[in-house]
Amino acid sequence: NAGVTQTPKFRILKIGQSMTLQCAQDMNHNYMYWYRQDPGMGLKLIYYSVGAGITDKGEVPNGYNVSRSTTEDFPLRLELAAPSQTSVYFCASSYRDEQFFGPGTRLTVL
Amino acid sequence: QQQVKQSPQSLIVQKGGISIINCAYENTAFDYFPWYQQFPGKGPALLIAIRPDVSEKKEGRFTISFNKSAKQFSLHIMDSQPGDSATYFCAARRDSGNTPLVFGKGTRLSVIA
Repeated sequence: NAGVTQTPKFRILKIGQSMTLQCAQDMNHNYMYWYRQDPGMGLKLIYYSVGAGITDKGEVPNGYNVSRSTTEDFPLRLELAAPSQTSVYFCASSYRDEQFFGPGTRLTVL
Repeated sequence: QQQVKQSPQSLIVQKGGISIINCAYENTAFDYFPWYQQFPGKGPALLIAIRPDVSEKKEGRFTISFNKSAKQFSLHIMDSQPGDSATYFCAARRDSGNTPLVFGKGTRLSVIA
């Protein structure tokens, strides 16, 4: 099993550009999550999904959108990139208690 | 409002010493308290977790101590090793099932020889 995979690993965006961060898991987990990690601020939940077709906002959803058309994939969309969205983004999935995290995407918005 | 407060922000421990990281929570509905370990450039990974029906859980050199009345829990790393150098996050979750975790801000641990 590959676990949770994320692409790309790194990306530099210009202000106003859009992009999609990809996340996939092969563990057949119903629950998936997107977090952002800023230095000294811990992990902040952006969006999460309890199954295909169902998504809900987390603590910091503004500026992001998600969709969940399959169990495996949970992409995160940035429509109008802003410098405040410079961060490391982690996708995670879970079945019961344990959340499994992907390796992260480091995004810089200039 | 920060639901899980973690301290210290950073910690330096001598090899062989005990590392102690503390967390306090507000919500009495929280019923699952994990600790995650994160190495540079990697995603966090579950280290150890506890539920409020026990006051302590030990796995190898790692121990969680839980104080329900004080709404506090802590991670103790015995015989700390340079390989333990990482960022540690406490977290909590309310209700049973897969509601999202609420994370502390993290503690950067450095174990020096």
